[in-house]
Amino acid sequence: GPKVLQIPSHQIIDMGQMVTLNCDPVSNHLYFYWYKQILGQQMEFLVNFYNGKVMEKSKLFKDQFSVERPDGSYFTLKIQPTALEDSAVYFCASSPTGQGYEQYFGPGTRLTVL
Amino acid sequence: QQQVRQSPQSLTVWEGETAILNCSYEDSTFDYFPWYWQFPRESPALLIAIRPVSNKKEDGRFTIFFNKREKKLSLHITDSQPGDSATYFCAASDQGGRALIFGTGTTVSVSP
Repeated sequence: GPKVLQIPSHQIIDMGQMVTLNCDPVSNHLYFYWYKQILGQQMEFLVNFYNGKVMEKSKLFKDQFSVERPDGSYFTLKIQPTALEDSAVYFCASSPTGQGYEQYFGPGTRLTVL
Repeated sequence: QQQVRQSPQSLTVWEGETAILNCSYEDSTFDYFPWYWQFPRESPALLIAIRPVSNKKEDGRFTIFFNKREKKLSLHITDSQPGDSATYFCAASDQGGRALIFGTGTTVSVSP
């Protein structure tokens, strides 16, 4: 099936530092998403992105979070500064069109904030 | 308030039995209900999905039964196999391109 790639697979940083998580969505997909999963819990929606803009975001998408996809390159999630509670696995997803309900998930980036 | 609920939290069945996973939702505007399965340390993968125009969706050994009036759905796994052991998430959305709201998951263990 369609493949979403995420880099890096694991990131360890100190609290207060900045981190950028990278996502390479499926090539013909137009909608992009970030979800957060704490160990043993469900995925929780953070934000979605279409046509260069944030379409909707949840309460989990704090002011320290930002997303962008400059010039069709990686879709990124930046956290600046990081906090201990940001430790989680972050999944990127993408879907093909405005009618594309099907969201395909990447392998995730495990973020550990010390 | 949890918008998508799942039960049971965990379920153990013998190989060959039918596993039944339940899901309910709050928002009547939801019109797309995918089930994802997730193996440990892997990403969730789309398993099967249904829209309210149907009350049943079948794909091999996996069947979704949908009751719009009661805002409930269930996933039936017939002839369960050890390889079906995973955590199953029910999710819901109200529009293409919008957030998926996930339930808390049901962890299924299939014993040989």
